[in-house]
Formats: sequence, C-alpha cells, structure tokens
Amino acid sequence: DAGVIQSPRHEVTEMGQEVTLRCKPISGHDYLFWYRQTMMRGLELLIYFNNNVPIDDSGMPEDRFSAKMPNASFSTLKIQPSEPRDSAVYFCASSFSGGATDTQYFGPGTRLTVL
Amino acid sequence: GEDVEQSLFLSVREGDSSVINCTYTDSSSTYLYWYKQEPGAGLQLLTYIFSNMDMKQDQRLTVLLNKKDKHLSLRIADTQTGDSAIYFCAESRGTNAGKSTFGDGTTLTVKP
Repeated sequence: DAGVIQSPRHEVTEMGQEVTLRCKPISGHDYLFWYRQTMMRGLELLIYFNNNVPIDDSGMPEDRFSAKMPNASFSTLKIQPSEPRDSAVYFCASSFSGGATDTQYFGPGTRLTVL
Repeated sequence: GEDVEQSLFLSVREGDSSVINCTYTDSSSTYLYWYKQEPGAGLQLLTYIFSNMDMKQDQRLTVLLNKKDKHLSLRIADTQTGDSAIYFCAESRGTNAGKSTFGDGTTLTVKP
C-alpha cells in the first residue's frame, strides 16, 4: 500500500482565502484523524472519523474549520476564511480497528502558510 | 481527561544512551506507544508495549513501563546521528475507541 496520501504537500495562500486539504487513508482502515502541528501548541487532534462518520470534532478551533469524509477513501479539511494563525503542518492519519493495537499511520503532512 | 507529558528536549553525544521519559494519567491505558518524527515527515510508529508488560526490547530500543507510577521510558542504546528526531509518547485504551492521546514530543539532538 502507498500509505496515507495527503495533498497538497505545501500550500501558500493569502489571508481570507479558502483552503482545502485532502487525504486518502490506507485502504481498509476505518478510522481517520486530522491533526495540526505547530511549534507553540505541539500536535493537536482536530477531528476524527469512524466509518466516515465524525466521532469527535471538539478539537476544531472554530467555525472556520470544517471536515468531511464522503467515502472511505477520501477526506477533506477546509478552512474558510483562512488567517495567518492557521499556518501549521496539518497531518492526516488512519488506523484499523481490527488490528492488534490502535497504531495510527500518518501521512507526510501539508505545510500551510497563510500570509 | 487523558494527558500525556514528556520533556521537550534531550541532547546526547553519539554513542551514548538516550533515555526519553513520559508520564500519563489514564489508568485505563491499554497500549503505550513511541512514535518517531523525522524532519519534514509524519509520525511513524517506533515501538509499543501492552500495559500488562514491564519491558520490551527491540534491537537498540528498550521500553520500560511502570504502570503503578504511570511512567513510560524509551532507551536508545548507542545513539546515532540518524536518531535525531522528535519522539512522541502516546497511549490508547484499545476499546475500539480508535483515538490515541499524544504527548508534545521530545526533540532528541545527537551531537557527533
């Protein structure tokens, strides 16, 4: 398997623009997680899905952030409108509930810069 | 709620042993993990231990678990410059909840 795929790898945008980050989890995995990583706040769990259904979105910073998972092989994280404080690396991860552990498999991340 | 804490930085000399420590609060933790993040990459599982174990060894890596004190450590023997990375401690309950709680990560710097 190719692992978790994220696109784009880098995104530079201007304040106020809409940003959409994309994720393809590992085939067969039934959990999908979105994280944000910054120097100041470390690794933060934003939202996670089980079988395409959002389970916990308490980590989503505010209404400007939304996430969807229309099917088992695709998820998006959207920021509208974007602000400079949203600059971070955003990771998608997936896991399989039938495995021996809850090991998460992370994608390479999307580095977002909002000017 | 669950909380995982670890020191932020560790610096060692090449060839020495590194010990990264972690404490957690959830007494229901079933699995405890160490993930490694290299520059520009996502986190990758390094090793894990079940809560009913005290120790696990895997080549240069030794994981020690003190369940009573909720303390986990990762020892890297003969540390190499390629071990320089951020190491994350994490825990999960393993009840099909799927979610893991991660610490803030310890940045290990290995000096030649």
